[in-house]
Amino acid sequence: KAGVTQTPRYLIKTRGQQVTLSCSPISGHRSVSWYQQTPGQGLQFLFEYFSETQRNKGNFPGRFSGRQFSNSRSEMNVSTLELGDSALYLCASSENRFEKLFFGSGTQLSVL
Amino acid sequence: AQRVTQPEKLLSVFKGAPVELKCNYSYSGSPELFWYVQYSRQRLQLLLRHISRESIKGFTADLNKGETSFHLKKPFAQEEDSAMYYCALLGPNQGGKLIFGQGTELSVKP
Repeated sequence: KAGVTQTPRYLIKTRGQQVTLSCSPISGHRSVSWYQQTPGQGLQFLFEYFSETQRNKGNFPGRFSGRQFSNSRSEMNVSTLELGDSALYLCASSENRFEKLFFGSGTQLSVL
Repeated sequence: AQRVTQPEKLLSVFKGAPVELKCNYSYSGSPELFWYVQYSRQRLQLLLRHISRESIKGFTADLNKGETSFHLKKPFAQEEDSAMYYCALLGPNQGGKLIFGQGTELSVKP
């Protein structure tokens, strides 16, 4: 099976812009989670989707949003980008909500 | 507060030496504990989870609820064990919401 695929791998944006990141989970996996990784804060949970519904949300502002489609693919959107949003954004999928997570390679977002 | 603490940022040992990566957690309840590993230029991947009670690549971890710890151990380190190790916690009814520690970089010298 193909692994978790995240696109694009790299993004450069300027402050105030918005960005959409995409994640294709492993075939058959219904749960998709998103994490932000930075050198200072480490890995922080953003949100989790299962069967097209957001089931859990981390402590991030409303500028961060996401959705999941019927084929389990997921997107996350960040509006009104700030410099502090520069990070590696990781997507992970699992068969069900409490199984082990399989991570993608991430999207490196740089906000200038 | 839910928290995972890995006190060592960097742990450097020689090949063949024992390794212990420390992990302490704070959680009011019965969480599930994991160790994830990231080798150079590879994805973050699960190493082991406490409910499985497995030994993966020679590593073991025992959940100590009294000390709220989940230390990762290996009796004889190998150079290929050099990687970033993350301890993580999953609360009940918190599917997909892993709480990670800051990570410990393990460096095994020849």
